[in-house]
Amino acid sequence: GAGVSQSPSNKVTEKGKDVELRCDPISGHTALYWYRQSLGQGLEFLIYFQGNSAPDKSGLPSDRFSAERTGGSVSTLTIQRTQQEDSAVYLCASSLAMTRNYGYTFGSGTRLTVV
Amino acid sequence: GENVEQHPSTLSVQEGDSAVIKCTYSDSASNYFPWYKQELGKGPQLIIDIRSNVGEKKDQRIAVTLNKTAKHFSLHITETQPEDSAVYFCAATTRGSQGNLIFGKGTKLSVKP
Repeated sequence: GAGVSQSPSNKVTEKGKDVELRCDPISGHTALYWYRQSLGQGLEFLIYFQGNSAPDKSGLPSDRFSAERTGGSVSTLTIQRTQQEDSAVYLCASSLAMTRNYGYTFGSGTRLTVV
Repeated sequence: GENVEQHPSTLSVQEGDSAVIKCTYSDSASNYFPWYKQELGKGPQLIIDIRSNVGEKKDQRIAVTLNKTAKHFSLHITETQPEDSAVYFCAATTRGSQGNLIFGKGTKLSVKP
């Protein structure tokens, strides 16, 4: 597609449930990133994938968070046993490559609300 | 690791005036500095970027300056218009060109007609 696509755009879940957030990057982009944006806050790095290399998971806030990227394209961010503090907008971005500094293209995000 | 500080957190200007947003970074190996604009309900959009071998870059009404010695960079918007109202984020790479972007906390710009 022309841009980064994220689904769902909104998700309301009960505390303790698991959720899966999906990201379809721009075709041909080898680097994919997940960020979290809490209300009125900046962008908190979560995880990135670069080609077939092992992902950098250093930003994941707890072991309840995990992410996969299948076939070097679509990525899924999974949050297990959701807590109210997980409520935020989860943003996915992709770029041509991590090296040589290509700008990110962001999706519109998934707004997650844990009730 | 890299730390990016951004000021001010909010900025209000009259239409037609200039707006300046400043950022500092801590990692001297950083060499790429993009700026993003985020409108309500949308993801951030890249508006301009600068690499460490350049001191200034312009694109119509927006410009970015970089001072590598002082480790700070700034976004300048001239002849502001109401549609410039948004949240602006600066960012810097970590570990030179091998790392992900670290973002500032954002500046909410309001342009009053």
